[in-house]
Amino acid sequence: GAVVSQHPSWVICKSGTSVKIECRSLDFQATTMFWYRQFPKQSLMLMATSNEGSKATYEQGVEKDKFLINHASLTLSTLTVTSAHPEDSSFYICSARGQERFSNQPQHFGDGTRLSIL
Amino acid sequence: GENVEQHPSTLSVQEGDSAVIKCTYSDSASNYFPWYKQELGKGPQLIIDIRSNVGEKKDQRIAVTLNKTAKHFSLHITETQPEDSAVYFCAASKNAGAQKLVFGQGTRLTINP
Repeated sequence: GAVVSQHPSWVICKSGTSVKIECRSLDFQATTMFWYRQFPKQSLMLMATSNEGSKATYEQGVEKDKFLINHASLTLSTLTVTSAHPEDSSFYICSARGQERFSNQPQHFGDGTRLSIL
Repeated sequence: GENVEQHPSTLSVQEGDSAVIKCTYSDSASNYFPWYKQELGKGPQLIIDIRSNVGEKKDQRIAVTLNKTAKHFSLHITETQPEDSAVYFCAASKNAGAQKLVFGQGTRLTINP
């Protein structure tokens, strides 16, 4: 089945640090990738939609200068949390979807990155 | 926009019994309904999905039913096993734009041996 790899799985860093998270589709080309944030015992909250070669589309209330997204190729998207603070601590999950344009294609998820800001 | 409601929030069943989780959606244009299983510390894993042109789909012990008129869909797990214990999420999307998924609130399923 479709495999999405996310790295790192866990990161702990000091307040003020910028952290980059990578999301790769390993066995398919992903025209669209999505970034989610999940708080404990809650559902997934969509942060932004990333299309290869174009600017990401952010959901309302998500600071685009805080959460920088780059989707430079059909298999790689990155999320950079700039100048991270303790309130940015969360579980960040990416997903990727294949190229079929005219029908809904399943989103396949990575295993998430647990970000802890001290 | 789309709103997906999921019930129950927690469900506990005896091993071997069946489990049913229900979701309702608000946007009649939604036409794709996946179900995901999320284990602790992991990302969601797609377990089954259904499109609006189908009323029921089955994959071994897992089945999903869709009632477009009532705008609700359900996940059925039969002969439950301890490894079925996890959080399950339903979602909905439509075949337009980015095809974003709107998730339900999740159901924590516990299978008691």
